[in-house]
Amino acid sequence: EIVLTQSPGTLSLSPGERATLSCRASQSVTSNHLAWYQQKPGQAPRPLIFGASIRAIGIPDRISGSGSGTDFTLTISRLEPEDFAVFYCQQYGSAPITFGQGTRLEIK
Amino acid sequence: QVQLQESGPGLVQPSETLSLTCTVSGVSITNYYWSWIRQPPGKDLEWIGCIHYSGSTDYNPSLKSRVTMSMDTSKDQFSLKLSSVTAADTAVYYCARNQVLRYDVFNVWGQGTMVTVSS
Repeated sequence: EIVLTQSPGTLSLSPGERATLSCRASQSVTSNHLAWYQQKPGQAPRPLIFGASIRAIGIPDRISGSGSGTDFTLTISRLEPEDFAVFYCQQYGSAPITFGQGTRLEIK
Repeated sequence: QVQLQESGPGLVQPSETLSLTCTVSGVSITNYYWSWIRQPPGKDLEWIGCIHYSGSTDYNPSLKSRVTMSMDTSKDQFSLKLSSVTAADTAVYYCARNQVLRYDVFNVWGQGTMVTVSS
């Protein structure tokens, strides 16, 4: 199975700053089938990005995804207070579907 | 508006079978693949498997020997059974809709239900 490793484990930033989150795969992700989710305490994950760079419905354009093969990035250009949460990447190009271990984005 | 709601016991005895149901509203259950995902407290998300109304299922190899998924299209429900549970199966269990494909992004999620395995 494909192992996804996210970095950093925790990212401390202030509102208005830029956040860059990384997701590295143990082998190439087929067809760049890589998604990103945001999860807040007590809530289910919310999809942000799929196909490595396609925003889900209702996701603002300050949130973007990029990358291909084994290296993927989620960027939030200007952090808003509601952005602080845990972020997970997920690959769905190969069975079994796997998730990264998450990056916690906290207010500095 | 598509909504998913998990239901089932919150406490299961060790070695017993965990049984959960997901009720779907706002869309026909026959049009998509549907998945179960779990998250142990403070830990990572784990895909359990998926089911299609055709009867096709696909399970995570790590759980395959203990998992059974089924669907009742007349009730717009699909279900999960996980046998021989241990404390390691304690988790929040989510049902979700696959966007289009068997292996896909999950674009609609239930709120999740906490299941504790304990005597």
